[in-house]
Amino acid sequence: DAKTTQPNSMESNEEEPVHLPCNHSTISGTDYIHWYRQLPSQGPEYVIHGLTSNVNNRMASLAIAEDRKSSTLILHRATLRDAAVYYCILRDVVRGGNKLVFGAGTILRVKS
Amino acid sequence: EPEVTQTPSHQVTQMGQEVILRCVPISNHLYFYWYRQILGQKVEFLVSFYNNEISEKSEIFDDQFSVERPDGSNFTLKIRSTKLEDSAMYFCALSPSTYTEAFFGQGTRLTVV
Repeated sequence: DAKTTQPNSMESNEEEPVHLPCNHSTISGTDYIHWYRQLPSQGPEYVIHGLTSNVNNRMASLAIAEDRKSSTLILHRATLRDAAVYYCILRDVVRGGNKLVFGAGTILRVKS
Repeated sequence: EPEVTQTPSHQVTQMGQEVILRCVPISNHLYFYWYRQILGQKVEFLVSFYNNEISEKSEIFDDQFSVERPDGSNFTLKIRSTKLEDSAMYFCALSPSTYTEAFFGQGTRLTVV
């Protein structure tokens, strides 16, 4: 399973942008880059995903490096409700049962 | 309305008893998964299910575990003889395709006593 590396924790101020980095140097051509988050006592929640181009949705933006060996999740204005564990996951669309393999993720703390 | 509903939300069972956890998809999905999360630990993959058969399973998913879609709708996880170490949150996940996102349920908290 392709692996990702994320910082253990990050802190942000409310209403400010947050950039959550992820390294995935062993990414393969059939891996999509997914981001999920898990709020306390809840199930994982989809945030965004992409293959090569940068992606935007109502929750966040995903910036993907040209060589695809790293990506950054961008929350444009952090709120207290964004405090969660954020997971960067590579999902192989061909092999491995297409499962999502969760690491430890990045604990995001948001200060008011 | 959530894409997937899990029942029950919490189940307490005696060690050695069988439990069945259920996952009800709201719309058509093709790929089904079960995960578990022991308190304070990371989310662990158990099994993936596609076209009415298991496509991959982890080392955790031993002979005590089984999955099925008996009526083509509900997706169930059965643990035949529960152990104390099976106590965890169990999450069902669904995906319409491998190219899209996965939707997770809110989980079933299983407590084995």
